[in-house]
Amino acid sequence: AQSVTQLGSHVSVSEGALVLLRCNYSSSVPPYLFWYVQYPNQGLQLLLKYTSAATLVKGINGFEAEFKKSETSFHLTKPSAHMSDAAEYFCAVSENHRGSTLGRLYFGRGTQLTVWP
Amino acid sequence: EAQVTQNPRYLITVTGKKLTVTCSQNMNHEYMSWYRQDPGLGLRQIYYSMNVEVTDKGDVPEGYKVSRKEKRNFPLILESPSPNQTSLYFCASSLNSPSGSQETQYFGPGTRLLVL
Repeated sequence: AQSVTQLGSHVSVSEGALVLLRCNYSSSVPPYLFWYVQYPNQGLQLLLKYTSAATLVKGINGFEAEFKKSETSFHLTKPSAHMSDAAEYFCAVSENHRGSTLGRLYFGRGTQLTVWP
Repeated sequence: EAQVTQNPRYLITVTGKKLTVTCSQNMNHEYMSWYRQDPGLGLRQIYYSMNVEVTDKGDVPEGYKVSRKEKRNFPLILESPSPNQTSLYFCASSLNSPSGSQETQYFGPGTRLLVL
């Protein structure tokens, strides 16, 4: 079975600082990787995803993530944090299923990002 | 407006009393899925459906049933709820595009369930 590990359940940064949220995965086949964001009392929103094209993936709100196969990592970064980035972030992995990138999805336990003024 | 709706949003029930949480999407999506979210555990997939009449177990299917008789609806059924099913439940939907394309999974607002 696949698994996702998010290092650090809580991350705090100052406004304007670099945001780095870590995600490592285990998969026996080339994975599809996702980052989602959840704002308080809302559902999840897709930030970006990797589907075996470019290893550096750009998403919404200035976020990007780099797929590193040798490190089995898919860390999420943003050069300059904004107060509105405060939320919970989830990394997820799935495998090709009946020709689609979706099927069984495995989520990490989430990282709560706090942004200080 | 494109959306995924869930009903009810909040539910308190007692052990053993059958309940159904409905999920409906208006985007003609083939793929639909149910998750539960618990503190410290992230989201875990319960069941998913690649299309009408096609359902598969996710990570934690025990105690749940689903059906996909119509494309737009994907109800979650708890035949005999137990306290360990107290959780926040999310439904999601997406196009079922071929591998490598840019599907986006849309999430509903969530259903908070308390089983006494």
